[in-house]
Amino acid sequence: EVQLVESGGGLVKPGGSLRLSCAASGFTFSSYSMNWVRQAPGKGLEWVSSISSSSSYIYYADSVKGRFTISRDNAKNSLYLQMNSLRAEDTAVYYCARVLITMIVADAFDIWGQGTMVTVSS
Amino acid sequence: DIQMTQSPSTLSASVGDRVTITCRASQSISSWLAWYQQKPGKAPKLLIYKASSLESGVPSRFSGSGSGTEFTLTISSLQPDDFATYYCQQYNSLWTFGQGTKVEIK
Repeated sequence: EVQLVESGGGLVKPGGSLRLSCAASGFTFSSYSMNWVRQAPGKGLEWVSSISSSSSYIYYADSVKGRFTISRDNAKNSLYLQMNSLRAEDTAVYYCARVLITMIVADAFDIWGQGTMVTVSS
Repeated sequence: DIQMTQSPSTLSASVGDRVTITCRASQSISSWLAWYQQKPGKAPKLLIYKASSLESGVPSRFSGSGSGTEFTLTISSLQPDDFATYYCQQYNSLWTFGQGTKVEIK
């Protein structure tokens, strides 16, 4: 079964750091670009970051640039999001998502994890 | 940055109704548009990609059309399982989602 499972969410104080993980299974992880998408409570979806299959291409939303770092370990079938200098407005459910077609960066997202909640509050 | 605007924000409809949701891009995105369905507490589900291609396993009552800056998602006959929030997403230049359209029971 094709699956993505996020972990690492929790409660953190403003200015703090958190590292999210996404474990992939059931497909050739190293062939797909991956993304992080977040959703604040009661709000819509916001794309956060993207990484190509070989980590050659990395993109960030302006709202997180300079604070968040996306990475992947193809040997471990895992995607990561290092979040530093966290703010209250970063509070959201964070989803990892796979692109539809192998070796393509700019594509729709066909497989999503269940999400992990990040709460930034003092 | 490309902005995506959906209308309406909320739509009240009955089972069996034909439903249309519109998504407009602030500049041309060719056909690089996807539609997602999201139910409360769940991850989004891909319905349509490349403006009009139906994702595998998605019922044929869902269809997408449009190109350039104006796109539509149509549900030909609304079913009880279709009450949810729908999002468009452009992937012509990075990724941007519309603000969502909630389809609720009339």
